[in-house]
Amino acid sequence: NAGVTQTPKFQVLKTGQSMTLQCAQDMNHNSMYWYRQDPGMGLRLIYYSASEGTTDKGEVPNGYNVSRLNKREFSLRLESAAPSQTSVYFCASSEALLAGGLPSNEQFFGPGTRLTVL
Amino acid sequence: AQTVTQSQPEMSVQEAETVTLSCTYDTSESNYYLFWYKQPPSRQMILVIRQEAYKQQNATENRFSVNFQKAAKSFSLKISDSQLGDTAMYFCAFQTSYDKVIFGPGTSLSVIP
Repeated sequence: NAGVTQTPKFQVLKTGQSMTLQCAQDMNHNSMYWYRQDPGMGLRLIYYSASEGTTDKGEVPNGYNVSRLNKREFSLRLESAAPSQTSVYFCASSEALLAGGLPSNEQFFGPGTRLTVL
Repeated sequence: AQTVTQSQPEMSVQEAETVTLSCTYDTSESNYYLFWYKQPPSRQMILVIRQEAYKQQNATENRFSVNFQKAAKSFSLKISDSQLGDTAMYFCAFQTSYDKVIFGPGTSLSVIP
């Protein structure tokens, strides 16, 4: 059971280049997420997918697109990379645990991708 | 807007001592979850502890416990008998809706031998 996997682990891009970050989970979770982590700012949600076939914007979606290819996979694409997108990117998945009327959204994270845009 | 604040960017503690990390949040909701996540130097995010807002009893997980003060919107994490492996970034997080979790900026904890 690998949990959440991400590729690549590291990437360096030049301004204007494009790339896709891949994420897959083997826990049969419905929900998947993409976050970016910047120093002093915690994790900020870029996009999420509550279920297969649906995607929604998070807090910082500009400059990104996502695809929920199937239940297992959720990719993040940078069409034209900018230096402001230099960050560590985390994919996560979750399954609602019903208790007290509100699902508990414990998230399982991948190992992260360190992206540098020059 | 719902926010999570961690007022201590960095903290240190002697091995075997106790340390408390602070977290406050802002919401008008009455039903929600609170989490503490740990991120060691390996970068892997790991759930440490979870608290349901409708429960008055504070959650505990081995050496980790929380002090949940709903009226004050405060959710602190206490680590007892600190170990070198506790050195990590700690993130407080807050969830009101099914799909979204809001993270605080983090506290960097160093355990000193």
